[in-house]
Amino acid sequence: QVHLQESGPGLVKPSQTLSLTCTVSGGSISSGNYYWSWIRQPAGKGLEWIGRIYPSGSANSSPALKSRVTISVETSKNQFSLQLNSVTAADTAVYYCAGNLYDTTGYSTVQHWGQGTLVIVSS
Amino acid sequence: SYELTQPPSMSVSPGQTARITCSGDALTDQYAYWYQQRPGQAPVVVIYKDTERPSGIPERFSGSSSGTTVTLTISGVQAEDEADYYCQSADSSGIIDVFGGGTKLTVL
Repeated sequence: QVHLQESGPGLVKPSQTLSLTCTVSGGSISSGNYYWSWIRQPAGKGLEWIGRIYPSGSANSSPALKSRVTISVETSKNQFSLQLNSVTAADTAVYYCAGNLYDTTGYSTVQHWGQGTLVIVSS
Repeated sequence: SYELTQPPSMSVSPGQTARITCSGDALTDQYAYWYQQRPGQAPVVVIYKDTERPSGIPERFSGSSSGTTVTLTISGVQAEDEADYYCQSADSSGIIDVFGGGTKLTVL
C-alpha cells in the first residue's frame, strides 16, 4: 500500500518561500503509471489544485499559481517537492500531497493522499 | 479560468437520496471525480471517471454524467455520510485540474 507523508516548516514569513516535501513509501515514485500532485485547503474553504509532476520531471501547475510554483521530483529519495515563492497570508492552508495511479487513457483510477500539513504564513 | 459549479449545501433525512451536481463546460470531454471529506480528514475518492466506485466505497454511492453536468448520488443516506463533497475534473486541455467549490451535505 502506497503511503505519503508531507513534511516541512509549519510557519513561513511573508515574502519568503514555502518548501514542502512528500515522501512516498510502499512503492517506488518512478515505477508504474503514477503522477504526483499537490493540493491545498485554507481553513474553512475548499480544495485548490496546485499542480502535478510525473517521474520524468514533466510538471503542470495551476495558472493562478504558476508564476510562483515549482514542483520537482527526486527519485533517488522517493520524494517530490513543492516550492511556493513570495508567500502571503493568503497562502496559509493545509497542504496535501497525493499519488495517482493512471490507466492507459491517462486518467487516475487509484489515489493515495497524505494526511496534510498546515502551513501558516505570518511574521 | 475554468470553473466547476456545485451547490454550497444540501440537507437530507436518513434513508433518503442525495443528489449533488457539478457543472462545467469541459465535462463533456473530461472525466470527473468525487471526493468525500470529513472534518479534519484528508479527502477520499468515492467516484472516479464519472461512474466508477473504488473498492471499499459503499454501493450506495454512484455517479452519472449528462452533458456538462455530473451527479453524485447517495442512495439511502446514512448519518456517517454527513461531510463535504467535492468534484474534480480538468479543463478542456486536460492538463489543468480544477476542484468544484464543494457541497456540505447535512444529514438531518
